[in-house]
Amino acid sequence: RKEVEQDPGPFNVPEGATVAFNCTYSNSASQSFFWYRQDCRKEPKLLMSVYSSGNEDGRFTAQLNRASQYISLLIRDSKLSDSATYLCVVNPRSSNTGKLIFGQGTTLQVKP
Amino acid sequence: DGGITQSPKYLFRKEGQNVTLSCEQNLNHDAMYWYRQDPGQGLRLIYYSQIVNDFQKGDIAEGYSVSREKKESFPLTVTSAQKNPTAFYLCASNPGHSTDTQYFGPGTRLTVL
Repeated sequence: RKEVEQDPGPFNVPEGATVAFNCTYSNSASQSFFWYRQDCRKEPKLLMSVYSSGNEDGRFTAQLNRASQYISLLIRDSKLSDSATYLCVVNPRSSNTGKLIFGQGTTLQVKP
Repeated sequence: DGGITQSPKYLFRKEGQNVTLSCEQNLNHDAMYWYRQDPGQGLRLIYYSQIVNDFQKGDIAEGYSVSREKKESFPLTVTSAQKNPTAFYLCASNPGHSTDTQYFGPGTRLTVL
């Protein structure tokens, strides 16, 4: 089983739609969780950290479910510019190295 | 302008040649990381360094070498021993201490002919 698993998609949605991605992680001791956005042939950029209480940034909402070991990202009112690959990232805390584990990414295509 | 720079953006090399990828940061970050990304795959950790003059192997270190002689610089050498070196190479840094967040450079796309 992969340490971090994501549905690669692609998710094809119309503008204005609401879309949600899930990501599961295998290490129950994991402490830090992030969503990064990666545009085609570019570097990943931090979208948001995921906190236990959940957090929201404009149209984006991230949730953490420790019991089921998954995190989610909800995007409301999708824009064409939201088209990208969304990477789920976890710090497994197996040692104090700052090492992060990256999922393979979920691709979102927002259509006009 | 603070940030992480990688050069060159595109690099072509003949099979059997060693090549060194540059990564520089002026963020005063302690930790630096090298990742490799292949199409349709997640980032895989090659090497990382938490402090100057110290570095550790990541998950796929074979065929690669690094040095960390200065805090701001963490060059990666792809040696001829790396069996499949064509990939997108990403360098990242992290301030250390209380945060896990990593910030990435723009990447180097290496093609071995």
